Amino acid sequence: DIVMTQSPSSLAVSAGETVTINCKSSQSLLYSGNQKNYLAWYQQKPGQSPKLLIYWASTRQSGVPDRFIGSGSGTDFTLTISSVQAEDLAIYYCQQYYDTPYTFGAGTKLELK
Amino acid sequence: EVQLVETGGGLVQPGNSLKLSCATSGFTFSTAWMNWIRQTPGKRLEWLAQIEDKSNNYFISYLESVKGRFTISRDDSKSSVYLQMNNLKEEDTAIYYCTAQVAYWGQGTLVTVSS
Repeated sequence: DIVMTQSPSSLAVSAGETVTINCKSSQSLLYSGNQKNYLAWYQQKPGQSPKLLIYWASTRQSGVPDRFIGSGSGTDFTLTISSVQAEDLAIYYCQQYYDTPYTFGAGTKLELK
Repeated sequence: EVQLVETGGGLVQPGNSLKLSCATSGFTFSTAWMNWIRQTPGKRLEWLAQIEDKSNNYFISYLESVKGRFTISRDDSKSSVYLQMNNLKEEDTAIYYCTAQVAYWGQGTLVTVSS
């Protein structure tokens, strides 16, 4: 199984700051047939189901603000949130969908300082 | 508007069975690969099963630890996907979500396994 290691587990930020969340996979998520990375990022707010932010490692889902940026390739990926707003406080998860069993990172809880 | 609505959760004793349903609308269900994913009380997300579409012969994959106990199925005529869960254990306690590929998630249904 592909192991997803996400860091940090929690992050305390002030509004307006830029934050970076890291996700490392135990094997490459880059499929040579289409040069796509099978990596997604989700945001989960309390009492809600996870919401897709980013897929193919860097493609923003429709309606997601452009302050959410996904980057990386192979085994190392990053979610950057520029100018964090209060509404961004949530838990963020990465997920690989390269191969079953699809696996998730343990999550990063974003909190306000 | 895309909607996925899970039903069928509840309180069940260890060893018993439960069948979850997920009714969908707002997207082309017949070509979607459908999944069941659960979230434990500790907030860990765990993929359980996937059923592909007709063009892929409805190929099914399972998490090894639920293989033989859980069965995923779909009914394209009803735009619905199901999860039959047998011999439930306390560690199966979780919120169960159905998802369409990576993009769409339901609101989840809570399954509690306890005596």
